[in-house]
Amino acid sequence: AQTVTQSQPEMSVQEAETVTLSCTYDTSESDYYLFWYKQPPSRQMILVIRQEAYKQQNATENRFSVNFQKAAKSFSLKISDSQLGDAAMYFCAYRSADSNYQLIWGAGTKLIIKP
Amino acid sequence: DTAVSQTPKYLVTQMGNDKSIKCEQNLGHDTMYWYKQDSKKFLKIMFSYNNKELIINETVPNRFSPKSPDKAHLNLHINSLELGDSAVYFCASSQGTGGGGQPQHFGDGTRLSIL
Repeated sequence: AQTVTQSQPEMSVQEAETVTLSCTYDTSESDYYLFWYKQPPSRQMILVIRQEAYKQQNATENRFSVNFQKAAKSFSLKISDSQLGDAAMYFCAYRSADSNYQLIWGAGTKLIIKP
Repeated sequence: DTAVSQTPKYLVTQMGNDKSIKCEQNLGHDTMYWYKQDSKKFLKIMFSYNNKELIINETVPNRFSPKSPDKAHLNLHINSLELGDSAVYFCASSQGTGGGGQPQHFGDGTRLSIL
């Protein structure tokens, strides 16, 4: 069975600096998708970024980028120029490319932005 | 023009009562989900429906009964509420099978508190 591990329960960063949140996963599959979701205090779950395992190029969305290391089964999220609005819980998730609809979730990392 | 809307946002009720949470999506998606998020923020899939058919049914007490009248709606009915049912319940939707890797879109959550 697939598992997703986020080893950092909490991280903090100074505003305007860069922070990296780690995520590792375990799977025997070669084709899958990885996601980062953000949950601010407002409780919404917001998709941050998505990566297809068959693509070597790392996904980027504005200040958010990933470092996808398929062999190491690592999928870290880098947030550049951190802003106060980035403060949230960040969840890493895995989804098989077969007909299984289920997302496998990590336990989350709480990101604190220091002004 | 909310994409995934669930009602109510907050639900406070006595142990032993029966309650329902409604979810509607206007994204044209064919798959909908219910998640439970506990006090430690851990997300657990409960149910998933594809085109009104149940496809994921995790180990959830049979006091929980999902109902999908059409593919745009997935309601959650809970009988005989217990203290341990206190949590935030999220509805989500996505399009297509897992092969497409389409992300899930979430509602704002319903905070259920059992007195």
